[in-house]
Parts: sequence; C-alpha cells; structure tokens
Amino acid sequence: GQSLEQPSEVTAVEGAIVQINCTYQTSGFYGLSWYQQHDGGAPTFLSYNALDGLEETGRFSSFLSRSDSYGYLLLQELQMKDSASYFCAVRDDADKLIFGTGTRLQVFP
Amino acid sequence: GAVVSQHPSRVICKSGTSVKIECRSLDFQATTMFWYRQFPKKSLMLMATSNEGSKATYEQGVEKDKFLINHASLTLSTLTVTSAHPEDSSFYICSARDLEGYEQYFGPGTRLTVT
Repeated sequence: GQSLEQPSEVTAVEGAIVQINCTYQTSGFYGLSWYQQHDGGAPTFLSYNALDGLEETGRFSSFLSRSDSYGYLLLQELQMKDSASYFCAVRDDADKLIFGTGTRLQVFP
Repeated sequence: GAVVSQHPSRVICKSGTSVKIECRSLDFQATTMFWYRQFPKKSLMLMATSNEGSKATYEQGVEKDKFLINHASLTLSTLTVTSAHPEDSSFYICSARDLEGYEQYFGPGTRLTVT
C-alpha cells in the first residue's frame, strides 16, 4: 500500500525554527508537495520539490531526497499564525495526490 | 490565482436524506476534479477522481452508489451523499486540476453533519 508518514504533533515557540519530516512509500513519485491547513479551512499550497535538494520560499523551505524517500518542511522565524496542520503529499503514478498523515504544529508565545 | 468554490459550506441533514455538494472552478477549466473526505484531526483521504464527461473512479472502500459523483462540465462537479447516516458526517473537500494538468487547487470544503 501507499503511505506517507509524518510526526503527529510538533510544538515550538515564536521565533524558533521547526522541521517537519515526511517519509513516503508510494506507487510512483512525481514530486513532493507541502500544504498548510488551519482548522476548518482548506489546504493551501506551500511548496513543491520535484528534484533532490532544498527549495526556499520566504520563511518556508522544503527538502527532498528521492533516494531516501524522505523530505522535510522547515519553518523559520515561527509566528503564532503558523499554528496549523501541515501535510506532505505525493503525486503517484495514477496521477493522484496522496496526502500524508499530517503534523499539527502549535506555536507558543 | 485559480479559485475553486464549494456550496454549501455547511449543511446539516437528517439521517436517511440525500445531500448534494457542488464544486466549481471559477476562473479556469478543469478536466479532472477530486473529492476528499477528512475526519477531525485526520488527513485528507481521496474518495474519487472525476473526469469531465466520464464516470468517476472511486478509491477502494468508497461506495459508488452512496457517493454519487457527476462531472457534467469543465467547471462543475457534484458529490451527492445518498441516504446519509451520522457516520457520513465529515469535511468534504474538492480539488480541481487545470487543463495543463500540473496545478491542483482546493475548494474551501463543506462541513456535513448528519443527525
């Protein structure tokens, strides 16, 4: 079967840096995406990695290692508004976007 | 950016009734739309993939006769939950892929509560 595993919860304080890991096992791989979802809201796209390495977008960076079937989302200079759930997602060979188990991030003052 | 809308945003219905949820791509055409279900504090689970003008493809374990999907145009897909029961209460999210097939955009979701 297909699986994308993430830690269930991460906590940090404002201004800190936090890393959310994602290990995946899917039938086919066409890139790793990251989404943010606030309670009751829709997922919003954060970043995408098709190739190995680091992609940086403002305070958020995402890393991919295809040989390790592993990626992470790095959030810097944490703000209270970053408290949300974060999901990794893989587009598989059936052209479907499969979501990870999700990580709930709580940022404290 | 591309916008996907869903209607209604919230619905409460009685057990045994049917509920229709609409998903529209407002400023782009979508040949493929996806329906996800999300239980509280859980991940998004893909229910089905719908392609304009053809039958939807359902994921394993999703009852096609219970969750009717229609994708009649390039901008509209509907999900009908038939004979709803309390265990169908969930957050239903649609997603649309543009004609280039690369970007996937999400709707705001519909909160269904079956009493």
